[in-house]
Amino acid sequence: DIVMTQSPDSLAVSLGERATINCKSSQSVFYSPRNKNYLGWFQQKPGQPPKLLIYWASTRESGVPDRFSGSGSGTDFTLTISSLQAEDVAVYYCQQYYSVPLSFGGGTKVEIK
Amino acid sequence: EVQLVESGGGLVKPGGSLTLSCAASGFTFDDAWMTWVRQAPGKGLEWVGRIKRKIEGETTDYAAPVKGRFTISRDDSENKVSLQMHSLKAEDTAVYYCTAGHGMSDSDSWGQGTLVTVSS
Repeated sequence: DIVMTQSPDSLAVSLGERATINCKSSQSVFYSPRNKNYLGWFQQKPGQPPKLLIYWASTRESGVPDRFSGSGSGTDFTLTISSLQAEDVAVYYCQQYYSVPLSFGGGTKVEIK
Repeated sequence: EVQLVESGGGLVKPGGSLTLSCAASGFTFDDAWMTWVRQAPGKGLEWVGRIKRKIEGETTDYAAPVKGRFTISRDDSENKVSLQMHSLKAEDTAVYYCTAGHGMSDSDSWGQGTLVTVSS
């Protein structure tokens, strides 16, 4: 089974500043025949279901602001919020969908400093 | 607009059974892999299981904690996916989300969730 490890567990960032969340998988989630990393990022605001932000590690879902970006390959991935806005307060999860059982990271809570 | 609406949650005693349903609309249901994800109170997300498309044999996969107790099925004629849960335990208490994969991730779209509480 693939274990997903996120860091930090929480972070507080000033409005307009950069927030960086890391996600590490216990084995590669890169599928070479398709040249894709099977890694997604989800945002969950309080009292709401999660929402897909990024898929294939770096492709933004339609409608997601371009201040959100995903990077990385293989086992190490990053979600960056380039300029934190008040509406970005949420818990962020990475998920690998490379192999079953699919697995999520433990989540990173982003707050305003 | 994609909509996923879960129903069937509630309070059930340990050892009991419950069936959750998810009504889908706004996309070609036949083409989607359907997945259930749960979230225990105050905790993170946990993948429960998924069912592939009919043309893929409606193959199912389950997380270890629920394998043998939970069954996912789909009815493409009604655009519905179900989660049958048996031998429920306290640790199954969670909000259960229905999700649909449209080819980007396994969970491109999410429902609002339905709460299952297992308690005597």
